[in-house]
Amino acid sequence: GENVEQHPSTLSVQEGDSAVIKCTYSDSASNYFPWYKQELGKGPQLIIDIRSNVGEKKDQRIAVTLNKTAKHFSLHITETQPEDSAVYFCAASRISGGYNKLIFGAGTRLAVHP
Amino acid sequence: NAGVTQTPKFRVLKTGQSMTLLCAQDMNHEYMYWYRQDPGMGLRLIHYSVGEGTTAKGEVPDGYNVSRLKKQNFLLGLESAAPSQTSVYFCASNQPGEDTQYFGPGTRLTVL
Repeated sequence: GENVEQHPSTLSVQEGDSAVIKCTYSDSASNYFPWYKQELGKGPQLIIDIRSNVGEKKDQRIAVTLNKTAKHFSLHITETQPEDSAVYFCAASRISGGYNKLIFGAGTRLAVHP
Repeated sequence: NAGVTQTPKFRVLKTGQSMTLLCAQDMNHEYMYWYRQDPGMGLRLIHYSVGEGTTAKGEVPDGYNVSRLKKQNFLLGLESAAPSQTSVYFCASNQPGEDTQYFGPGTRLTVL
């Protein structure tokens, strides 16, 4: 079946360092790849997304890259700050039954130490 | 705009009890979803709705029922709760053609 694998499950960095989270997906029909940030006690919030016709997208300190041939995509956070500490989820999506079916990775717990 | 809200925030049930989780959105979204989040497993879709009066099964529907009597509300019911349903439940919504889903703050449910 469809699945998304996400690595690493935990990531610890020093403030100012970069953090990279990687995901691979199995459904070649997937065409939309969002990244969500979940802070403690809150619901997931979209931080960046990329569509299959684009290889890279950047928003300030956050960037996402997509390799459709290899079916993997990555989240890059530069100049990390303590407020970046959270659980990050990747997802892959395609249209199914009239809606965008999201398949989530298992999540990465990022800790940024001052 | 409050966005997506969920009631209650926390709940403890005994095995066999029933309860209903309420999701409300004020963004006039057509599509609504219920997910469960378990450690190490990400979010999995339980049921979804593409409009008022319609519902459909997701990836893990067993043991749950849903209703969408009003466009702004999506209810998730547990008729006879089991310990395996201990989880954090999230509701989400979006519009047709919109890729992004907007999530509520979650309900933490414990079944003893």
